[in-house]
Amino acid sequence: DGGITQSPKYLFRKEGQNVTLSCEQNLNHDAMYWYRQDPGQGLRLIYYSQIVNDFQKGDIAEGYSVSREKKESFPLTVTSAQKNPTAFYLCASSIRGGYNSPLHFGNGTRLTVT
Amino acid sequence: DQQVKQNSPSLSVQEGRISILNCDYTNSMFDYFLWYKKYPAEGPTFLISISSIKDKNEDGRFTVFLNKSAKHLSLHIVPSQPGDSAVYFCAATLGTGSYQLTFGKGTKLSVIP
Repeated sequence: DGGITQSPKYLFRKEGQNVTLSCEQNLNHDAMYWYRQDPGQGLRLIYYSQIVNDFQKGDIAEGYSVSREKKESFPLTVTSAQKNPTAFYLCASSIRGGYNSPLHFGNGTRLTVT
Repeated sequence: DQQVKQNSPSLSVQEGRISILNCDYTNSMFDYFLWYKKYPAEGPTFLISISSIKDKNEDGRFTVFLNKSAKHLSLHIVPSQPGDSAVYFCAATLGTGSYQLTFGKGTKLSVIP
């Protein structure tokens, strides 16, 4: 079954620690994305990658970093510089950007930082 | 500045009736719109989309209407089913080649059996 796998489903960290969220896709999609969802809020774009070894900042990239060394993988690191890291993080992919290329989402990772 | 607004946080509808979810946008440069559906503890799934050159797009029980002059779109679900109970997100993009979607805050639809 093709899809996007995010692991783990729940993640707990102490304040001041960096943490990396995993995202793997076997859809052979070129583009991958990280979104953040807070309670009562829409999804906000953190980073996206159009192709391997390339990525761009989204609307709320501060305190986050990404890498795209392989087509199928797009890990997100939440650094200690992120002021409010507790949130629900969603990874997505699409065949490409633009028209007729809807996002396919993983089931998310809920990160809690205390 | 919220460019995509879903002003109703929640909506309850009887099974079999029509559900109408509304979305307004402020950026006149948006030219492609999508609706996503999200169940608890899952990622959103794509539902239906519409290009700004159209005013209606239909897919089974789901129809999206676009009123460009009013910067308003709506999603109609007819007939509503209990399995439609979910959060619905409206999203907009600047079109061809754009990698960035702007999402609304979502509307939680409850279909009552």
